[in-house]
Amino acid sequence: NAGVTQTPKFRILKIGQSMTLQCTQDMNHNYMYWYRQDPGMGLKLIYYSVGAGITDKGEVPNGYNVSRSTTEDFPLRLELAAPSQTSVYFCASSYNRDNQETQYFGPGTRLLVL
Amino acid sequence: QKEVEQDPGPLSVPEGAIVSLNCTYSNSAFQYFMWYRQYSRKGPELLMYTYSSGNKEDGRFTAQVDKSSKYISLFIRDSQPSDSATYLCAMSAGNQFYFGTGTSLTVIP
Repeated sequence: NAGVTQTPKFRILKIGQSMTLQCTQDMNHNYMYWYRQDPGMGLKLIYYSVGAGITDKGEVPNGYNVSRSTTEDFPLRLELAAPSQTSVYFCASSYNRDNQETQYFGPGTRLLVL
Repeated sequence: QKEVEQDPGPLSVPEGAIVSLNCTYSNSAFQYFMWYRQYSRKGPELLMYTYSSGNKEDGRFTAQVDKSSKYISLFIRDSQPSDSATYLCAMSAGNQFYFGTGTSLTVIP
């Protein structure tokens, strides 16, 4: 299994540009998440999904959108990039069965907005 | 009050030392407790997880959960330079996950 994969690894955007961060998992997990990680601030939840077709806002959803058309994919969309969105973005997935409730992370996407 | 509190460090220890990392939390509904290791410029990697209270051991790593005190710990025995990383605690209830801000650990050869 590849686990959780993310593309691109690094991207520079100009203010006002848009982009989609891709996330795919091959573990058949129902739950998927998007976090951003800023230095010294820990992980902040942007959006999450409990299954295909179902998404919900996390702690910091403003400026982002998501969709979940399949179990495997959970893309994150930035419509109008702002410098405050400069961060490292992590996608994660999890399952809850057999008394195991753990999250698995992708390698991250570093985004710089100038 | 934050859901999860973790001392950010940094923590610097000599090789071979025993390391103790800790987190406190406020939500008594948390049932699953995890420790992640994150190397520089990498994603968090699941190190250990525990369900409810008690201890769990895996090689040089021991995770402890004390639900009565709302306190979790990770012990690293015989620490190695390769253990140098940021350690994140996390806990969950109903597939909502809450993370500490991470403790930066450096093991000096």
